[in-house]
Amino acid sequence: KNEVEQSPQNLTAQEGEFITINCSYSVGISALHWLQQHPGGGIVSLFMLSSGKKKHGRLIATINIQEKHSSLHITASHPRDSAVYICAVPTGVQGAQKLVFGQGTRLTINP
Amino acid sequence: DAGITQSPRHKVTETGTPVTLRCHQTENHRYMYWYRQDPGHGLRLIHYSYGVKDTDKGEVSDGYSVSRSKTEDFLLTLESATSSQTSVYFCAIRVSGGASEQFFGPGTRLTVL
Repeated sequence: KNEVEQSPQNLTAQEGEFITINCSYSVGISALHWLQQHPGGGIVSLFMLSSGKKKHGRLIATINIQEKHSSLHITASHPRDSAVYICAVPTGVQGAQKLVFGQGTRLTINP
Repeated sequence: DAGITQSPRHKVTETGTPVTLRCHQTENHRYMYWYRQDPGHGLRLIHYSYGVKDTDKGEVSDGYSVSRSKTEDFLLTLESATSSQTSVYFCAIRVSGGASEQFFGPGTRLTVL
């Protein structure tokens, strides 16, 4: 079993829809990372959170440490949100923070 | 922009040749990482560094070596490239101190024929 599982693997929606991407993990963690990768592009860090909720523009990330689960929400989705969204958790020694990544969720927003 | 560059950005090479990829940062961060990204496997850690001359292995380190002789440069070497090492390679840095975000370089696309 992978340490980090994302769902769904692929998601297609219409512009304006509310989007939810889920991430479950099996190890104890200090924080969880959400990353974004546009087609052919680099990887951008969206959030790092260890409890509760964080909001940046139309993106909201939540985490439930007890249930080992995090969600990424996008409100009023737009075609420019089309990208792969990746969650990651640190493992190993605290200082090293070696990340283990989910497989990613490919999001397509149609106009 | 965390001041991370990778070189080369694209490379095509033949099986058995040595290849070195360079990651350069401008902000003197202590931690640096090399990942590879492959369809069906996602991102996986190859090696990381926690200071000059201090490195350790990651999940998929076989066939790779690294060196860090200066804070700003982290080199990844494939001593004898194989087709299974065809991948996109990303370097990342992390600001020291507890849990913190990692910032990624633009990536290097390597093709081994």
